[in-house]
Amino acid sequence: QKEVEQNSGPLSVPEGAIASLNCTYSDRGSQSFFWYRQYSGKSPELIMSIYSNGDKEDGRFTAQLNKASQYVSLLIRDSQPSDSATYLCAVNTGGFKTIFGAGTRLFVKA
Amino acid sequence: GAGVSQSPSNKVTEKGKDVELRCDPISGHTALYWYRQSLGQGLEFLIYFQGNSAPDKSGLPSDRFSAERTGGSVSTLTIQRTQQEDSAVYLCASTPAPTSNVETQYFGPGTRLLVL
Repeated sequence: QKEVEQNSGPLSVPEGAIASLNCTYSDRGSQSFFWYRQYSGKSPELIMSIYSNGDKEDGRFTAQLNKASQYVSLLIRDSQPSDSATYLCAVNTGGFKTIFGAGTRLFVKA
Repeated sequence: GAGVSQSPSNKVTEKGKDVELRCDPISGHTALYWYRQSLGQGLEFLIYFQGNSAPDKSGLPSDRFSAERTGGSVSTLTIQRTQQEDSAVYLCASTPAPTSNVETQYFGPGTRLLVL
């Protein structure tokens, strides 16, 4: 089992819809969780971080964490074509090593 | 201020040759990471440097890979006797002085390595 798992997609949603991206992780001791966005040919950039159970909202983005289920998700409201990218889930498993998932490709259709 | 920079941006080499990839982290950042990203894949952790501590080399895939960080700033990733499976994008990231394991990584643009 991979340490951080994501559905590779592609996930296709119409413009204006909610895009839901999911991630599961295997290490119960994980404490920090991150979502990075990576446009094609570019390097990843951090869009959300979450450390405690529940929801965290930032603009159109909401991160959700459920440590009991070892599950973290990212919701993108009012999706725009410019949101089309690969979204990487990253988990800090202790110390300073962060494990990245393989990413979910999101397409937002205009 | 300047972000993380990497050079070269692209490198084409022949199988069996050695290559050196360079990373200049953000000034003042004490932690530096190297990752490898193969086509369509996620980021594979290679090595981590933090200040003057011994680096975490647990992600290096073979003894052909090595990295150093001089003066706590610039880092060089060296791949000896390159193989075709080494072809990937090599990403460098840096973080400010960590006070916990809560950190944001700032990525460079990457070096695209192609081994023929």
